[in-house]
Amino acid sequence: DAGVTQSPTHLIKTRGQQVTLRCSPKSGHDTVSWYQQALGQGPQFIFQYYEEEERQRGNFPDRFSGHQFPNYSSELNVNALLLGDSALYLCASSFFGNQPQHFGDGTRLSIL
Amino acid sequence: AQSVTQLDSQVPVFEEAPVELRCNYSSSVSVYLFWYVQYPNQGLQLLLKYLSGSTLVKGINGFEAEFNKSQTSFHLRKPSVHISDTAEYFCAVNPQGGSEKLVFGKGTKLTVNP
Repeated sequence: DAGVTQSPTHLIKTRGQQVTLRCSPKSGHDTVSWYQQALGQGPQFIFQYYEEEERQRGNFPDRFSGHQFPNYSSELNVNALLLGDSALYLCASSFFGNQPQHFGDGTRLSIL
Repeated sequence: AQSVTQLDSQVPVFEEAPVELRCNYSSSVSVYLFWYVQYPNQGLQLLLKYLSGSTLVKGINGFEAEFNKSQTSFHLRKPSVHISDTAEYFCAVNPQGGSEKLVFGKGTKLTVNP
């Protein structure tokens, strides 16, 4: 039973660039949530996707956007990268309306 | 809105000693409660969860936690730790019947020394 998978594992970008991170949910799960974990901090909720729509959003600017595909996989896009966007980006999946959420190993994004 | 406070940022203990990692939360509604563990360069793994029922919850790797509604606490305990328990531990809450987002504490770094 495949768990949550994320790609790539590491990414290095420069300020002003754009990045796309990818997530495949655990088998059977239909809901994907994205979190940002800065160094030494707990994860912060970015947004959640269900039925290919953004259902809920945290306190992140519009530079952060996403998408969910019919097979429930998801992408996180970040435009106009800032140094402060350097973090571990975690994807979590679940059945809609149910807990717990299952997390992937994350994508480590470094901005130079 | 919900918030989580993990009272200790670092907890050093010796192998085979007991440990307690403290978590307090704030919420105006009933919540679900979770503990996750994060090993270096990995994502979050669910240790245990409180959704309803018995306030004493048992999880994986010998960990347990007790939900105390009056104290708004959900402390994590293990009677005898191993070197392999060295990791970052996160407490999280989620409001019942509403938003599905998890609100996390800042984490507690548990270091088990030989």
